[in-house]
Amino acid sequence: GAVVSQHPSWVICKSGTSVKIECRSLDFQATTMFWYRQFPKQSLMLMATSNEGSKATYEQGVEKDKFLINHASLTLSTLTVTSAHPEDSSFYICSARVGGGSNQPQHFGDGTRLSIL
Amino acid sequence: DQQVKQNSPSLSVQEGRISILNCDYTNSMFDYFLWYKKYPAEGPTFLISISSIKDKNEDGRFTVFLNKSAKHLSLHIVPSQPGDSAVYFCAASAGGYQKVTFGTGTKLQVIP
Repeated sequence: GAVVSQHPSWVICKSGTSVKIECRSLDFQATTMFWYRQFPKQSLMLMATSNEGSKATYEQGVEKDKFLINHASLTLSTLTVTSAHPEDSSFYICSARVGGGSNQPQHFGDGTRLSIL
Repeated sequence: DQQVKQNSPSLSVQEGRISILNCDYTNSMFDYFLWYKKYPAEGPTFLISISSIKDKNEDGRFTVFLNKSAKHLSLHIVPSQPGDSAVYFCAASAGGYQKVTFGTGTKLQVIP
């Protein structure tokens, strides 16, 4: 149980285009999902917390207008990288927590490798 | 400010021996700690966790030890297997908050 599916797994696109990444909880409902970004040989950096039915909470330094998050249902959150540029190239990972308690592990998707040319 | 630190970027261990991965934290508000395993191009997989009210939690070959006074935790894997080769992330969160802070990871290589 507790499977998180992320799609697509790899995206290559031209500079200036927008890219949407989907994160789905397959066998549980997730009122909260999380979006991370990982640079090579670095830790996972939390970008934002996605709350179902409300606005996402962004971490300091993360541009809200650049990284649009929508959490329209209890099983789906999307991250849209708008007008992507080469510096946005990175590994993006989503996660979801089973249940509402804080002491529950997050379960991660397999990530999306984004390459902007 | 790196609140969760894994000072060893890599570790090599012989198959069958014990692997010990270390993690230090600075935020005294952290009260829940987790270890994740990550293969290249995949998302992290939850391994084991420990609450601050405990000092040890064991699950099969994996044991996590917590020393609150030293703000230190460690993951022991015994016996180590080649399939354990991966990057291991230590993570921590503070009570009532959902935000989890990750360490920089330690790459474990188990040599057959």
